[in-house]
Amino acid sequence: DAMVIQNPRYQVTQFGKPVTLSCSQTLNHNVMYWYQQKSSQAPKLLFHYYDKDFNNEADTPDNFQSRRPNTSFCFLDIRSPGLGDAAMYLCATGGPPSDEKLFFGSGTQLSVL
Amino acid sequence: AQSVTQPDIHITVSEGASLELRCNYSYGATPYLFWYVQSPGQGLQLLLKYFSGDTLVQGIKGFEAEFKRSQSSFNLRKPSVHWSDAAEYFCAVRPNNNAGNMLTFGGGTRLMVKP
Repeated sequence: DAMVIQNPRYQVTQFGKPVTLSCSQTLNHNVMYWYQQKSSQAPKLLFHYYDKDFNNEADTPDNFQSRRPNTSFCFLDIRSPGLGDAAMYLCATGGPPSDEKLFFGSGTQLSVL
Repeated sequence: AQSVTQPDIHITVSEGASLELRCNYSYGATPYLFWYVQSPGQGLQLLLKYFSGDTLVQGIKGFEAEFKRSQSSFNLRKPSVHWSDAAEYFCAVRPNNNAGNMLTFGGGTRLMVKP
């Protein structure tokens, strides 16, 4: 059974049109992460939540925002997608910092036309 | 800041041949080390991890990895590759403290398997 679920699996948006990607988890983990993975590149951390505390990576563009209304759900909002934002977006969850591993969703492949 | 290097961007091996994927890290102290596999269009699946203890760790799908402190390496190996092993492999590290469990990934190695 999937424990980290990302919807939709594929998302197409237009240049400049806001888009929201969603992630849900059944693990009751404290921490949720959003990674961006461009074609043939390593995943890059955008930000993460520890409970309700939001932690932004220093080089994450302002165009990217996130919301976590409750433990189970986390959203990635791209306010004005550019062509360079086309990528796979991976959500992951983790327990306390002492926990050993992350659980990844299957990702949302975002295309920008 | 920690960094992870996977020197080989692409590797092609014949089915049944042995495999070694290289990973080197740069970090002030020994971090926690991971190998993940990603099939095309899919998320990341954990193959194995090293935290402490025995430097040779066994993972799923017949993979193993050896931590070598003197070389700051954590190379992934498999004695006999199957066609289904064709995928992208990522080495990753995280701090070995309670500061958080976010990962830093290497650039990945794409494995292709010849029949």
